[in-house]
Amino acid sequence: GQQVMQIPQYQHVQEGEDFTTYCNSSTTLSNIQWYKQRPGGHPVFLIQLVKSGEVKKQKRLTFQFGEAKKNSSLHITATQTTDVGTYFCAGSNDYKLSFGAGTTVTVRA
Amino acid sequence: EAEVAQSPRYKITEKSQAVAFWCDPISGHATLYWYRQILGQGPELLVQFQDESVVDDSQLPKDRFSAERLKGVDSTLKIQPAELGDSAMYLCASSHDRVQLTQYFGPGTRLTVL
Repeated sequence: GQQVMQIPQYQHVQEGEDFTTYCNSSTTLSNIQWYKQRPGGHPVFLIQLVKSGEVKKQKRLTFQFGEAKKNSSLHITATQTTDVGTYFCAGSNDYKLSFGAGTTVTVRA
Repeated sequence: EAEVAQSPRYKITEKSQAVAFWCDPISGHATLYWYRQILGQGPELLVQFQDESVVDDSQLPKDRFSAERLKGVDSTLKIQPAELGDSAMYLCASSHDRVQLTQYFGPGTRLTVL
């Protein structure tokens, strides 16, 4: 079945620095979604990417969908303490969404 | 802003007991999902409903888990009997339909089995 892998599992970032988290699928995806889960909270939808090579930005967050539609990345610039949480990618195929294990981000001030 | 409602928020039970969780999706959302999330992992789909029909329950442990959405609105997930390994967060989510897969999650039910 479809598997979605995320790396790294943990990301410890100095406030103000940039980082990237990666998502890889074993199969070609129809689209990919990203969610953020704050500590003690529930996943909240961030964005959906549909087209090959698509790039979308939300303030300091840049999302990219690979040309082969099998991988994606999330890049955060100038990390802030509000960026703390776990970021999940979720790949879609045949109307099914498969979540990765997430990248848990902590920020040191 | 419309939200997905879940209750209870926390449940502690002893193994072999029965537990039930309730979910009320965003009004008008045809698709409802139950997920299990173990600490440190991503949500794992247990069952997906389209209106009142189950469209995917391939990962639901059917010997002990059951789910229903009788009127195509709110839903109940039941575990009987509960086992120690069932301790997890149970998340309910809804989406407008099967095509619009953007999912809106409820706050979850934290289950602890002793």
